[in-house]
Amino acid sequence: AQTVTQSQPEMSVQEAETVTLSCTYDTSESDYYLFWYKQPPSRQMILVIRQEAYKQQNATENRFSVNFQKAAKSFSLKISDSQLGDAAMYFCAYRRRVEYGNKLVFGAGTILRVKS
Amino acid sequence: EAGVTQSPTHLIKTRGQQATLRCSPISGHTSVYWYQQALGLGLQFLLWYDEGEERNRGNFPPRFSGRQFPNYSSELNVNALELEDSALYLCASSHGLGRKPQHFGDGTRLSIL
Repeated sequence: AQTVTQSQPEMSVQEAETVTLSCTYDTSESDYYLFWYKQPPSRQMILVIRQEAYKQQNATENRFSVNFQKAAKSFSLKISDSQLGDAAMYFCAYRRRVEYGNKLVFGAGTILRVKS
Repeated sequence: EAGVTQSPTHLIKTRGQQATLRCSPISGHTSVYWYQQALGLGLQFLLWYDEGEERNRGNFPPRFSGRQFPNYSSELNVNALELEDSALYLCASSHGLGRKPQHFGDGTRLSIL
């Protein structure tokens, strides 16, 4: 079974600075998807960024980027120029690459606090 | 485009009762997923429906069940409620194809007294 581990229960960052959230996973498969979701106090899970395991290039979305190390099974999220609106719980998630949908396996989450 | 909608926002029940949670997917999405987010337990996969069929089920007892309607909306039913069923229940939808990401609703907070 696949597992996802987020070893940082909580992180803090000063506004405008950069922070990196860690995620490791365990799988025996070679092709899969990885995601970072953000859950603000409003509760809705918002997709931040996704990575396809067969792509070597790290995904980027504006201020958000990932460091995907397939051999190490590591998938960290870097947030640049942090903003107050980035404060939320961040979840790393894994999904098998199959032709037809599948469940997400989530890590325990990291609370990100942004200081002004 | 309207997102995933869930109702009710909050549901309060007592032990032994039955709860019904509802989810409307994004227009065009055929797959609906249910997840439980309980305090201290993280997000756990419950059920996946696509084209009206149950496709996969997480490690939950049979008193957790659901269905998907012809319009792709879905219901999650929880029978014989227990205190530990108190959680945020999140619904997500996606296109049927595996490479499409899941989009989540705001959740239903189920509180068992």
